[in-house]
Amino acid sequence: QSALTQPPSASGSPGQSVTISCTGSSSDVGGYNYVSWYQQHPGKAPKLMIYEVNKRPSGVPDRFSGSKSGNTASLTVSGLQAEDEGDYYCSSYAGSNKGVFGGGTKLTVL
Amino acid sequence: QVHLVESGGGVVQPGGSLRLSCAASGFTFSTYGMHWVRQAPGQGLEWLTFIWYDGSTKFYAGSVKGRFTISRDNSKNTLYLQMNSLRPEDTAVYYCVKAGPNWNDVWNAFDIWGQGTMVTVSS
Repeated sequence: QSALTQPPSASGSPGQSVTISCTGSSSDVGGYNYVSWYQQHPGKAPKLMIYEVNKRPSGVPDRFSGSKSGNTASLTVSGLQAEDEGDYYCSSYAGSNKGVFGGGTKLTVL
Repeated sequence: QVHLVESGGGVVQPGGSLRLSCAASGFTFSTYGMHWVRQAPGQGLEWLTFIWYDGSTKFYAGSVKGRFTISRDNSKNTLYLQMNSLRPEDTAVYYCVKAGPNWNDVWNAFDIWGQGTMVTVSS
């Protein structure tokens, strides 16, 4: 399975919104509603932010939202805050009992 | 509070073996599937393997199939990863991850992560 495609970087000023894309194929992102998103701060373990395309675990601010159109999923962070800075990874079920992650996007809050 | 703690990482020579452990607490371990995910230094995440709640079903990524074996001991609330024929490209932080959010979920979410254990394969 090839990694899902994410932009290497994204940025925004405090209070702004930023959207990170995650592009796959009909065999993964487009074929299943098992897309999830993870936030990772330096030296820390990833943290689940969005699952099943657009569901938020308890404790995750509603500033974080997810969506999907065709073979591309998106994570939108609204009202950017300094603590949102970090690496973000998407993931999808890829069929044939395999999972796949995106290459990651470094989000910078300017 | 749900907690996953990995151990067993270290430095091993190419061709060697290592067994990682993951101690689970704060949830009913025996009712959830579990994954291992790794992250090479400065790189992204890579899914490796999954085991069903009762150990009856296992899935592997092509990169580790035939070399790595996932297992669990529900009486000890512990997940394992036996790694054989290690290669330099297996150098990474290895994370134990709970599948969720529900007991019968597999790919819905990697919902709780351990802190990771570092494995270095080098001569």
